[in-house]
Amino acid sequence: DTGVSQDPRHKITKRGQNVTFRCDPISEHNRLYWYRQTLGQGPEFLTYFQNEAQLEKSRLLSDRFSAERPKGSFSTLEIQRTEQGDSAMYLCASSLRLGTGDWDGYTFGSGTRLTVV
Amino acid sequence: GQQLNQSPQSMFIQEGEDVSMNCTSSSIFNTWLWYKQDPGEGPVLLIALYKAGELTSNGRLTAQFGITRKDSFLNISASIPSDVGIYFCAGQLGGSTLGRLYFGRGTQLTVWP
Repeated sequence: DTGVSQDPRHKITKRGQNVTFRCDPISEHNRLYWYRQTLGQGPEFLTYFQNEAQLEKSRLLSDRFSAERPKGSFSTLEIQRTEQGDSAMYLCASSLRLGTGDWDGYTFGSGTRLTVV
Repeated sequence: GQQLNQSPQSMFIQEGEDVSMNCTSSSIFNTWLWYKQDPGEGPVLLIALYKAGELTSNGRLTAQFGITRKDSFLNISASIPSDVGIYFCAGQLGGSTLGRLYFGRGTQLTVWP
């Protein structure tokens, strides 16, 4: 397993267009997270899934944002009607929640850099 | 949201020197993590801390989970040029099992040869 994979690595789009990003987590990990990172800041939590269930969404995730993980494996993050303020690095991470309630690993992908022009 | 205060914001040191950075919070955390991020890449996990008072090493890196559960520090000994990057602390709130992490704003480390 090569870690968390994100596609594309870079995306340039015009304001008002829709974009979709994909994340493939580490195969045995049951939790998948999306974060957003702007220049000079640490990553900010957007949402996370345990298997296919979306269990938490941040207030940062406006109505224009939607995330899915249909079969509990890969996930997609869609942004509709993009705005210049959406320009950021979108990071995906995955972890394994153990039966004890603890978790193991919290591995990030290389991210998708979105530029809205 | 939760604020993690990470300091210093940046450090300029000479190769071979030791480095120390820390992170504090007004809330109790039950997990502290330290990550390193290179330009254009995602954060890479360096050390994970799960218990108050825990001291963990990873090569030249040592991190501690503060007794109050509101702080953590990371030390790098005998720095080398490849240590250059941005170091982030991250934590999971106490009482939460959700896995959501809160991040500091990072410490930019520059190492001069």
